[in-house]
Amino acid sequence: ETGVTQTPRHLVMGMTNKKSLKCEQHLGHNAMYWYKQSAKKPLELMFVYSLEERVENNSVPSRFSPECPNSSHLFLHLHTLQPEDSALYLCASSQDYGGSTDTQYFGPGTRLTVL
Amino acid sequence: AQKVTQAQTEISVVEKEDVTLDCVYETRDTTYYLFWYKQPPSGELVFLIRRNSFDEQNEISGRYSWNFQKSTSSFNFTITASQVVDSAVYFCALSETTDSWGKLQFGAGTQVVVTP
Repeated sequence: ETGVTQTPRHLVMGMTNKKSLKCEQHLGHNAMYWYKQSAKKPLELMFVYSLEERVENNSVPSRFSPECPNSSHLFLHLHTLQPEDSALYLCASSQDYGGSTDTQYFGPGTRLTVL
Repeated sequence: AQKVTQAQTEISVVEKEDVTLDCVYETRDTTYYLFWYKQPPSGELVFLIRRNSFDEQNEISGRYSWNFQKSTSSFNFTITASQVVDSAVYFCALSETTDSWGKLQFGAGTQVVVTP
């Protein structure tokens, strides 16, 4: 198994749909992250979880709802999205929380298109 | 305000040429960390290197080398004898220790195109 996996790799959804993105890390890490990467914009941190507790919510609209049932899995639930939410969503993990010193390892991303 | 600046949007080289990517950062912290990541067309961000602010020793790893200069707040990255597989977007990132949530602040990235 590769370190951080994400499913699906590609997702097309309408504005009224509800879908979920899944991330799984096989590195034994305690912290997990969601990032958004839009065209022409730097990567944006969305959420941080440490030991299954959310420690960062970077002013993300409520139509994005994260869930971390255990330290190996992270979900991003999507509902009533807008076309401007179309982006690459990247998951990452690091050994510990609060570690600006910890290296984050990324998954391959989910390419989301909202019609 | 953008804390990490990668002024080069795209660099095109022919295989076997060297390519240097510039990164300039801004921070008031005395302790901080700098990173380089590579993002090939597949989309995954691949970690390349982490350097802390107290270690200005430059490093070479295979065809990659890094030049960290605190005096100019720069952390440049060089690929020697480039190969087509080096084609990717390269991101420089900063992590400040005053922010305890492990927040990586990324530059806009530099697209490297290596042609045969």
